[in-house]
Amino acid sequence: NAGVTQTPKFRVLKTGQSMTLLCAQDMNHEYMYWYRQDPGMGLRLIHYSVGEGTTAKGEVPDGYNVSRLKKQNFLLGLESAAPSQTSVYFCASRPPGLGANEQFFGPGTRLTVL
Amino acid sequence: KNQVEQSPQSLIILEGKNCTLQCNYTVSPFSNLRWYKQDTGRGPVSLTIMTFSENTKSNGRYTATLDADTKQSSLHITASQLSDSASYICVVSLPPGNNRLAFGKGNQVVVIP
Repeated sequence: NAGVTQTPKFRVLKTGQSMTLLCAQDMNHEYMYWYRQDPGMGLRLIHYSVGEGTTAKGEVPDGYNVSRLKKQNFLLGLESAAPSQTSVYFCASRPPGLGANEQFFGPGTRLTVL
Repeated sequence: KNQVEQSPQSLIILEGKNCTLQCNYTVSPFSNLRWYKQDTGRGPVSLTIMTFSENTKSNGRYTATLDADTKQSSLHITASQLSDSASYICVVSLPPGNNRLAFGKGNQVVVIP
């Protein structure tokens, strides 16, 4: 049982390049989330999904897109990366019905945009 | 606008000593309050979770308290160990039915021998 995994662990992009971050969970969780964590700030929600085929915007969705084609995977896309998107990205998942706080986090992806 | 404030921002403690971290929140009502531990370069890991009707919860050397009247929570670390060096994040769930959380910025704890 690997829990929540993220790919890649590190990435450096040039401004304007695109990339996709992959989150996978093997706990059969319905809900999945993408957050970003910046120095001196709390985690901020980018997008989330309450089930396969559904997505919703979070607090800071601009510049990102997501897809949940399979229950176990949640993809975060950057179509045209900007230096402001330099951050550490965390994926999380949880089953329904246990309260919003019962989230399990992945190890994070550190992204640098030059 | 920040709904969860934590103090102190950082602290250094000697191994074996106790410390207490504070969390003040403005979210009301809320479903539950959780403390997470985040080691450097890792994702947050849950330590405790309390509903609005609970006022204390322990997990080994970690004890969390909650005062829903004053909207304050604390995390007490007993007999600190070097492995306790981490950021401790207070998280409050937004009103019931909302799928979002309000995160504090964290208390950075450094335990020195």
